[in-house]
Amino acid sequence: GENVEQHPSTLSVQEGDSAVIKCTYSDSASNYFPWYKQELGKRPQLIIDIRSNVGEKKDQRIAVTLNKTAKHFSLHITETQPEDSAVYFCAANDMDSNYQLIWGAGTKLIIKP
Amino acid sequence: EPEVTQTPSHQVTQMGQEVILRCVPISNHLYFYWYRQILGQKVEFLVSFYNNEISEKSEIFDDQFSVERPDGSNFTLKIRSTKLEDSAMYFCASSSDVTNTEAFFGQGTRLTVV
Repeated sequence: GENVEQHPSTLSVQEGDSAVIKCTYSDSASNYFPWYKQELGKRPQLIIDIRSNVGEKKDQRIAVTLNKTAKHFSLHITETQPEDSAVYFCAANDMDSNYQLIWGAGTKLIIKP
Repeated sequence: EPEVTQTPSHQVTQMGQEVILRCVPISNHLYFYWYRQILGQKVEFLVSFYNNEISEKSEIFDDQFSVERPDGSNFTLKIRSTKLEDSAMYFCASSSDVTNTEAFFGQGTRLTVV
């Protein structure tokens, strides 16, 4: 089955700087990698996802890159703003278990004013 | 914008009691899921449901748990004989795609077992 590792567990950046969160996965058959943002006490919300047939996807200040050979994918947030403060989770689908999403442990992103 | 809705938002129950958590998935979605998140920890998959049956379940989803789609709109999670360690946020999610892409989450039900 799939295993997803996420780093760092906490990331503190100055407002306006960039933030990068990295995840590795174990199953080369996984083909879908979403990123969720979870604000305190709220539900996880999908912010961006990438499928294995592309290497990069961008949506305004957010981008995700995928390296299938190395089995890692990263979330990049540029020009960070206070409202970016949240916990971010990466996930990968597990082809052995009916595509259930296997989640990383989460990264708490703190944007310092 | 369509969304997944869950009720109640907070449920307090005594240890040993049964609870039913309710979810209304997005109307044209066919795949439904329950996830659990213990405070401060990662989201954990419990079960997926398609075509009126369980398609996948995790080790957490033992005989204490059951799911049901009693009518065309509701999707429920029943926890029998609750334990203290069942205290968590329970999220329902739905997707239109079998590969679990773009799963949309409900607001969650915070279950507190005392």
